[in-house]
Amino acid sequence: AQRVTQPEKLLSVFKGAPVELKCNYSYSGSPELFWYVQYSRQRLQLLLRHISRESIKGFTADLNKGETSFHLKKPFAQEEDSAMYYCALKYGWNSGGYQKVTFGTGTKLQVIP
Amino acid sequence: DSGVTQTPKHLITATGQRVTLRCSPRSGDLSVYWYQQSLDQGLQFLIQYYNGEERAKGNILERFSAQQFPDLHSELNLSSLELGDSALYFCASSNRVNYGYTFGSGTRLTVV
Repeated sequence: AQRVTQPEKLLSVFKGAPVELKCNYSYSGSPELFWYVQYSRQRLQLLLRHISRESIKGFTADLNKGETSFHLKKPFAQEEDSAMYYCALKYGWNSGGYQKVTFGTGTKLQVIP
Repeated sequence: DSGVTQTPKHLITATGQRVTLRCSPRSGDLSVYWYQQSLDQGLQFLIQYYNGEERAKGNILERFSAQQFPDLHSELNLSSLELGDSALYFCASSNRVNYGYTFGSGTRLTVV
């Protein structure tokens, strides 16, 4: 079954320290992976898509198919990065709207000043 | 503004009551998804609609139902409400292009 695992419920780092939020997935097909961020119980916002290989707000994530991971990284944490981060796996068909998304349980990032 | 509109933003109601949450997807998006976010259970997928038809069901209780109308807006109906139904209910939409979801701001439901 498709599954996304975020092993850490809470990650506390000091401002300026590197951040790595872990995400592992299980899916037999070709995965599409995303990171979403939620600030203070506001709406979830798309942060990254693995297919675009972009860097948003200094965050990057690389899909490692061998390790089935999609860890989110940032070299220097900032206080405004404090939020909930959700990893998500999209799977299914592209046509007909049959795609489904499974979210991980989320990791709360707390950046300590 | 993300383009996904959810109303109302806040709702306080008593146990046993019934409420309807409304979602208007982003323009052009045919798929609508409903999620429940509670403090102890994180983000739980409830149900998905695509162009008016139900496509996938998650952990949705029998007391809950949803539909998507011809104009693509969706409603989530919650009945016989219990204290444990208090949560944030998010709607998200997407289109057929390979992209992520766009989430609404959510409806905060408090059952007292």
